[in-house]
Amino acid sequence: QVQLVESGGDAIQPGGSLRLSCAASGFALSDFGMHWVRQGPGKGLEWVAFNRYDGTSANYAESVKGRFTIYRDNSQNTLYLEVDSLTVDDTGVYFCAKDLSPRNGLSWLGFGGPGTLVTVSS
Amino acid sequence: DIVMTQSPATLSVSPGERATLFCRASQSVTGYLTWYQQKPGQAPRLLLYGVSTRATDIPARFSGSGSGTEFTLTISSLQSEDFAVYYCQQYNSWPLTFGGGTRVELK
Repeated sequence: QVQLVESGGDAIQPGGSLRLSCAASGFALSDFGMHWVRQGPGKGLEWVAFNRYDGTSANYAESVKGRFTIYRDNSQNTLYLEVDSLTVDDTGVYFCAKDLSPRNGLSWLGFGGPGTLVTVSS
Repeated sequence: DIVMTQSPATLSVSPGERATLFCRASQSVTGYLTWYQQKPGQAPRLLLYGVSTRATDIPARFSGSGSGTEFTLTISSLQSEDFAVYYCQQYNSWPLTFGGGTRVELK
């Protein structure tokens, strides 16, 4: 059974950093591109970043470019999101999701976990 | 960026009734349009992709139509478990973008 379990969220002050993790099970991470999507409190969904199945390329939303880094360890079946220079606008639940189409990130998404909460506040 | 606009923001429906949700793109996304359902405290659940292809285990009461910039999600006979928020998303071009959501609530 496919499972995605996000972790690493925390309450943190503006300007701080975190590393979010997404542990995958039931499939080989190395076979799939992966995304991070976030949701602010009471708000809609916002795509954040994509990482190619082999980790050789990534795409980012403009709002996080230069501050967030998506990467993976396929040997550990784990996806990561390094989030730096956090602002209050980064507050929300962060979900990881599988890339389900063959178009290298231009895809519909398969979510699997409850997400991890990042709260940025002074 | 392609802006996705959903309407209405809230739809009040009685069980057994038909629900029709709309999604408009600011420019053509051809057929690269997907729909998700989200309940409180849960991850989004994939419903349809490629406008009208149902994902695994999605009941036939969910259907999608449209092309270009105008899309529709129809729930033919609303069940109690269908009360949730629904999002459309385009995957025609970067960045991936979502609509603001339609909340389907009990009338």
